[in-house]
Amino acid sequence: AQTVTQSQPEMSVQEAETVTLSCTYDTSENNYYLFWYKQPPSRQMILVIRQEAYKQQNATENRFSVNFQKAAKSFSLKISDSQLGDTAMYFCAFMRGTSGTYKYIFGTGTRLKVLA
Amino acid sequence: EPEVTQTPSHQVTQMGQEVILRCVPISNHLYFYWYRQILGQKVEFLVSFYNNEISEKSEIFDDQFSVERPDGSNFTLKIRSTKLEDSAMYFCASSRREAINEQFFGPGTRLTVL
Repeated sequence: AQTVTQSQPEMSVQEAETVTLSCTYDTSENNYYLFWYKQPPSRQMILVIRQEAYKQQNATENRFSVNFQKAAKSFSLKISDSQLGDTAMYFCAFMRGTSGTYKYIFGTGTRLKVLA
Repeated sequence: EPEVTQTPSHQVTQMGQEVILRCVPISNHLYFYWYRQILGQKVEFLVSFYNNEISEKSEIFDDQFSVERPDGSNFTLKIRSTKLEDSAMYFCASSRREAINEQFFGPGTRLTVL
């Protein structure tokens, strides 16, 4: 069974600074996808970034980038130039690439607070 | 931009009552999902639905739960006899065939069972 672990329950960062959120996962699959979702106080789930396991290049989306280490089964999220609006819960998620199975497996989340 | 909608935003019910949570997925999406998040915990998969049948369900999704797509737009989750532990945020999500691994979430329904 796949598992996703986020070992940092809470983190804080000063506005405009950079922060890295950690995520590790366990799977025997070779084809899968990894995601970071943001959940602000409204509790809406918002996709931040996605990575296909077969791609060696790390995904980036504006101020958000990942460090995907497939051999180490690590998938960290880096937020550059942190903004107050980045304050939220961040969930790492795994999805198998096998046809017919399209569920997310989420980690327990990291609560990020951006300080003014 | 199209989005998934859910109603109601908050539902309060008495233990033992039936509730129906409603979702309107994005119109060209074909895959539908329900997830649950107990307060302070992680989001957990409940069920996926495609071609008018359940594709996969978790161990949480027992006989008290059912899903239905009663018409071309709605996707519902029914809990037959609610328990206190069913209190949670319920998220609906949908995805399209061409990008099945990217699910779009609705804003959630907060269910409170008293």
